[in-house]
Amino acid sequence: AQTVTQSQPEMSVQEAETVTLSCTYDTSESDYYLFWYKQPPSRQMILVIRQEAYKQQNATENRFSVNFQKAAKSFSLKISDSQLGDAAMYFCAYRSAYTGNQFYFGTGTSLTVIP
Amino acid sequence: EAGVTQFPSHSVIEKGQTVTLRCDPISGHDNLYWYRRVMGKEIKFLLHFVKESKQDESGMPNNRFLAERTGGTYSTLKVQPAELEDSGVYFCASSQTPSGLDEQYFGPGTRLTVT
Repeated sequence: AQTVTQSQPEMSVQEAETVTLSCTYDTSESDYYLFWYKQPPSRQMILVIRQEAYKQQNATENRFSVNFQKAAKSFSLKISDSQLGDAAMYFCAYRSAYTGNQFYFGTGTSLTVIP
Repeated sequence: EAGVTQFPSHSVIEKGQTVTLRCDPISGHDNLYWYRRVMGKEIKFLLHFVKESKQDESGMPNNRFLAERTGGTYSTLKVQPAELEDSGVYFCASSQTPSGLDEQYFGPGTRLTVT
């Protein structure tokens, strides 16, 4: 089974600064999809950004962008101009293009934004 | 449009008791998923419904867990009898289509504590 590793249980960033959350994954598949989800305190998870493995160009959604390194099996999330509302638990997730429809999640990174 | 809802938000039961969790997906979403996060660990897939049929139940931990989705609308997940290791947060998600880059919409989760 695929595994997703988020090696940073906790991160903090000053408001308006940039922070990068790391995510690596282990797979033998050539096509797959990667996601970052965000769960604010006491609220539901929402999708932040997604990327297809076959696309070379890194996905960007406003202040959120990814650095996708397929050979290294790395999918880091960069948050620019951090805002207080970015404080949340961030989960990286993998989905196979071949087998099943489930997400494989990492253990999450808790992000604190310091005013 | 209402999002995915889950009930209850929190449940505390004693070992050996029965608990039933409910999930109401977004209207029109045929695909419904259950996931579980044990404290500090990754979010793990439990099962996937397409309408009322179980598409994939490979993540169900044992036969103490029973999921149903009568009529292809809401779903219930019953744990009987509950054990201490069943404690965790149970998430439900739904989607229109089951694969690719399509987003799964998550509910707020039910926090289950077994004492």
